[in-house]
Amino acid sequence: EPEVTQTPSHQVTQMGQEVILRCVPISNHLYFYWYRQILGQKVEFLVSFYNNEISEKSEIFDDQFSVERPDGSNFTLKIRSTKLEDSAMYFCASSEATGNFGPGTRLTVT
Amino acid sequence: ILNVEQSPQSLHVQEGDSTNFTCSFPSSNFYALHWYRWETAKSPEALFVMTLNGDEKKKGRISATLNTKEGYSYLYIKGSQPEDSATYLCAFKNYGGSQGNLIFGKGTKLSVKP
Repeated sequence: EPEVTQTPSHQVTQMGQEVILRCVPISNHLYFYWYRQILGQKVEFLVSFYNNEISEKSEIFDDQFSVERPDGSNFTLKIRSTKLEDSAMYFCASSEATGNFGPGTRLTVT
Repeated sequence: ILNVEQSPQSLHVQEGDSTNFTCSFPSSNFYALHWYRWETAKSPEALFVMTLNGDEKKKGRISATLNTKEGYSYLYIKGSQPEDSATYLCAFKNYGGSQGNLIFGKGTKLSVKP
């Protein structure tokens, strides 16, 4: 059964550095999402993406963040200048008739 | 662009309380409504898929109802337990073309205090 995959599983970075989190959605899916979950806190919607553009974004998704589908298969989330409070689990999802979530990337900003 | 709204965003209840929250979606060209349960540090787990107006599904203490004519679904939890603490996501799918995809809401975070 096809799965959404995410890499890396764990990323450690220093404050102020740029990180790129990668997701490979299921191939025939057309909607893509990023969510994050700060440890012990609620799940936060970040952004949804459809037809090669952002369809909705949250207040969290400021200029520090960007998403891209560079090659028709990967779906990336870039954080330009990481802050300590960006430390969280980041989940990618894709959907068509069903919705599928990836296993998450744990981002640790030190 | 179709929107799915969930309310409230977060909810705090005491152990033993029953609770419910709402998912609202466009009522036209309805195809299916999905509910997911999302625990901390895990990928979401599918709870229910509902397709017919008036559908009611149950899994243990959790149940869901569906009203496709007015565009809402309720998720009920009877006698909440601390292990019910999670984010509950709904997702909507309609018929047709490029919009026939599963669209997620932002979730309702439930916290159950012992």
